[in-house]
Order: sequence, then C-alpha cells, then structure tokens
Amino acid sequence: AQKVTQAQTEISVVEKEDVTLDCVYETRDTTYYLFWYKQPPSGELVFLIRRNSFDEQNEISGRYSWNFQKSTSSFNFTITASQVVDSAVYFCALSEGGGNDMRFGAGTRLTVKP
Amino acid sequence: NAGVTQTPKFQVLKTGQSMTLQCAQDMNHEYMSWYRQDPGMGLRLIHYSVGAGITDQGEVPNGYNVSRSTTEDFPLRLLSAAPSQTSVYFCASSQTRAAQGTQYFGPGTRLTVL
Repeated sequence: AQKVTQAQTEISVVEKEDVTLDCVYETRDTTYYLFWYKQPPSGELVFLIRRNSFDEQNEISGRYSWNFQKSTSSFNFTITASQVVDSAVYFCALSEGGGNDMRFGAGTRLTVKP
Repeated sequence: NAGVTQTPKFQVLKTGQSMTLQCAQDMNHEYMSWYRQDPGMGLRLIHYSVGAGITDQGEVPNGYNVSRSTTEDFPLRLLSAAPSQTSVYFCASSQTRAAQGTQYFGPGTRLTVL
C-alpha cells in the first residue's frame, strides 16, 4: 500500500533562512508519481511540482528546489532565502502508476517570521 | 476559464440531514475526485471518476455517494450527515487520471455537522 510520511508537523524560521521540508514515501510499484502542493492561509491548494519515478534529476525553480532520492524513498523540498509569503502548509503526495488513487502526507506547516 | 468551482463555501448541517456538495470544471478534464481534509491527516480521497458514467471509491467512501452524468459536474452527496463528517471538502480535476496527471483543486467547502 502506498504511504507518505511528513515527519515535520511544524517548522518556524526567520526570513531569509533556508528550510527543507522532508517527505518519505512507501510504494511497491516501480512506476509512481510524486507531488508537492502548497496550501496558503487562504485555504486553496496550489500545485508546485510533479515528478515521475524514472526521473531522479533534481529540480530548481527560483527559490524552490526538490531532491528526489529513490535509494532513501525521499522527495525533499527546499526553500532558499525564505520569505513571509512562503508561510503555508505544504503537502507531499504519491500516486502509483497502476492506480487512480493519490495519497497525501499529513502536511508540514511552515511559518516564516519577518 | 473558471477552473474548478465548488458550492457552497460554507455549510452547517444537523445530524441526519442530507445535502449535496456541488463541483464543476470547465477544462474538459476526464478525471475528477473528492477529498476531505481533517486536521493532522492531510487530504484523503473519498470518491473519484475517470469519466462520465464511471465512478469508484477512494480511501474513505463510507457515508458519501457520487455520480457523474456529465464531464463537467461531479456532485458529492451526504445521505445522513454525522458529526464525523465535519471537514473541509475539496474537489479536483485532472486531464488524465490522478496517477499520471496534475490535479487542480477547487476552493473547498467547509462543512460543520452539529
């Protein structure tokens, strides 16, 4: 069965600090997809990234970067030089290639203080 | 495009009442889904549909019914509301099934059952 663990319930940093949000997943499939979503205080869910299991290349998008390591079943998310606007709950999610289900982690609440 | 819309935004029910949460998308997406979000538990899949006339259960389907008569609409019905169904409900759609595509979420419906 597929499972996503986000061990960090809450993280608090001061603006301009770098912060890494951890995501560990479990699946028996060799084909799967990993996602990160952001939920700001307004409540909507904003898509950040999608990665398939055959592409282990790390990705950078502005201040955001993602480190995918199949050897440790991890898909960690780093925000460089954090800003107050990054304050949100961040969810990691997993979909197995053969199914129609998506499993979310419990989320990590990030607070960036000025 | 309006994207994914949900109505109502807020709803209070008494135990035993029934109601329908509405969800519509204008992106011609085949895949639609319903999630509930509870504190500390992330999002959990209730039901999903891979096209008009086709629905299936997700992780937590008990107490909910769905139907998909058109590509655009995917209503979620609570037949006899219970306090355990107090939650925030999100509808989502994807051009392909969740395992492969990126899901776009509606703004959510906050439901309280007294």
